[in-house]
Amino acid sequence: SQKIEQNSEALNIQEGKTATLTCNYTNYSPAYLQWYRQDPGRGPVFLLLIRENEKEKRKERLKVTFDTTLKQSLFHITASQPADSATYLCALGGDSSYKLIFGSGTRLLVRP
Amino acid sequence: SQTIHQWPATLVQPVGSPLSLECTVEGTSNPNLYWYRQAAGRGLQLLFYSVGIGQISSEVPQNLSASRPQDRQFILSSKKLLLSDSGFYLCAWSLGGGQFFGPGTRLTVL
Repeated sequence: SQKIEQNSEALNIQEGKTATLTCNYTNYSPAYLQWYRQDPGRGPVFLLLIRENEKEKRKERLKVTFDTTLKQSLFHITASQPADSATYLCALGGDSSYKLIFGSGTRLLVRP
Repeated sequence: SQTIHQWPATLVQPVGSPLSLECTVEGTSNPNLYWYRQAAGRGLQLLFYSVGIGQISSEVPQNLSASRPQDRQFILSSKKLLLSDSGFYLCAWSLGGGQFFGPGTRLTVL
């Protein structure tokens, strides 16, 4: 069955450093991959979408890579700030139904 | 701009009682609509999705049902709640790219 793995341990980094989160998947060939931010008690917020034919996409301090050979996506936040502290979810999609399969998320803590 | 509303924000219900959660979207037409449930510390579990009025696809067999009586209205229902129905329920809309989520309903079944 399709499986998405995100590191269940929280990532704890110092303000100003680059945070790198990993999303690995198996038994799936997604046409695109998405990243979301979720704060406690709130719904996820869409951040970025990257398609299978794109290697990298950037948006402000965010950068996402997508390696369909390794079946992996990396999500980077440069010059991290305490306000970036949240749980980050990756999601895979691509069939005609527009369904997404979500990972369980990785919590990021940025220390001031 | 588009907005999505969910209500109620919090709900405490006894086992065996009925449930009705409502979601409405403004500022877009013919969106895909989704209901998810999120258990504490877990990922999002897709429950239902709809690509049009009256069109509902169920992802997980359970005692919940969904309906889409209008283009921008999506309702999640149950005739008899179970303890295992407790969780954070999220509605989302999409036009094929990213999904945009509502504020969620925290349901506790006692």
